[in-house]
Amino acid sequence: GAVVSQHPSRVICKSGTSVKIECRSLDFQATTMFWYRQFPKQSLMLMATSNEGSKATYEQGVEKDKFLINHASLTLSTLTVTSAHPEDSSFYICSARVAAAGGNSPLHFGNGTRLTVT
Amino acid sequence: AQSVTQLGSHVSVSEGALVLLRCNYSSSVPPYLFWYVQYPNQGLQLLLKYTTGATLVKGINGFEAEFKKSETSFHLTKPSAHMSDAAEYFCAVSDQTGANNLFFGTGTRLTVIP
Repeated sequence: GAVVSQHPSRVICKSGTSVKIECRSLDFQATTMFWYRQFPKQSLMLMATSNEGSKATYEQGVEKDKFLINHASLTLSTLTVTSAHPEDSSFYICSARVAAAGGNSPLHFGNGTRLTVT
Repeated sequence: AQSVTQLGSHVSVSEGALVLLRCNYSSSVPPYLFWYVQYPNQGLQLLLKYTTGATLVKGINGFEAEFKKSETSFHLTKPSAHMSDAAEYFCAVSDQTGANNLFFGTGTRLTVIP
């Protein structure tokens, strides 16, 4: 149980275009999902916390107008990288926790999306 | 504030040898501690977690970790390395207030030498 599906797994786009990444909890409801960015050989950096039915909470230094997050249902959050540039190329990972499970329950991670902007 | 320090970005062991990956944490409140494993181009998979109770925690794939409050450590061990253990390992900490975020260490890449 507790599977998080992330799509697409890889995407290549041209500079200036927008890319949408989906994160779905397949067998559980998640009121909160998290979006991370991982640079090569580095750790995961939290970008934003996605809350179902409300605005996302962005970490300091993350441009909310560039990384649009929508959490329209209890099983789906999307991250849209707008007007992508080569420096946005990275590995993006989402995670989710079972709704109301509390802080000691583990996060369930998607398999990540490798974004390459040419 | 919470943070995690993983000593050693790369660790190499021979197949069958002991695996020891170090993690020290900093937390102003009682922590929850986690170890995750990441295979290339994949997300993270939970190995084990410490919340409360027994300080020696057993996880999947033969891994275990011991919470030592006096040393603020949560080192990950496995008695005998297997080739399939080669991956990136992340230690993470969160607090017990119900806040949802995890703070990750920088990761340790484990190489297993045949």
